[in-house]
Amino acid sequence: EPEVTQTPSHQVTQMGQEVILRCVPISNHLYFYWYRQILGQKVEFLVSFYNNEISEKSEIFDDQFSVERPDGSNFTLKIRSTKLEDSAMYFCASSVAGMYGYTFGSGTRLTVV
Amino acid sequence: QKEVEQNSGPLSVPEGAIASLNCTYSDRGSQSFFWYRQYSGKSPELIMSIYSNGDKEDGRFTAQLNKASQYVSLLIRDSQPSDSATYLCAVAMNTGFQKLVFGTGTRLLVSP
Repeated sequence: EPEVTQTPSHQVTQMGQEVILRCVPISNHLYFYWYRQILGQKVEFLVSFYNNEISEKSEIFDDQFSVERPDGSNFTLKIRSTKLEDSAMYFCASSVAGMYGYTFGSGTRLTVV
Repeated sequence: QKEVEQNSGPLSVPEGAIASLNCTYSDRGSQSFFWYRQYSGKSPELIMSIYSNGDKEDGRFTAQLNKASQYVSLLIRDSQPSDSATYLCAVAMNTGFQKLVFGTGTRLLVSP
């Protein structure tokens, strides 16, 4: 069964450092998303991406965040200057069409120290 | 503020029983409704989607939607210990890009 692949599975970074979280969506999917889940809290929407541009973003997705699909297969989330409160599980997801429930990747646990 | 509410649980049921999970949502314009299962430390896994009022069955799972009352439910028949997980209700406006709003999830414990 096709999978959404995320790397790394766990990243530890120092506060103020830049991190890039990587995702390989399912190959025929057209819609891509990033969500995060702080430990013990809800899964929260960050951003959706379609046709090489951001289609919607949440209040969480401020100027410190950016997304990119650099080569037609990878989908990345960059956090420019990490804060302690960015520590969370980050999930990438993709869907073949925007109307249907989508497939999540296994997640990257980001720990900011 | 669009909200999705779930009882956090835990909901404890014996093996073989029916587990009933409920969810309410605040946005009357919501069009798409999903149930995800999340094991501890893992990513959400889609188990059911429902778009119109009524029941939708898939194996041991039945999703029920009542848009007038703004609630969605999930029934799990013949519950198994492997069903023990957190069940997330997620709701989307019919925007085409499908930003999902998640509830906090209900923790289900199925005892052998």
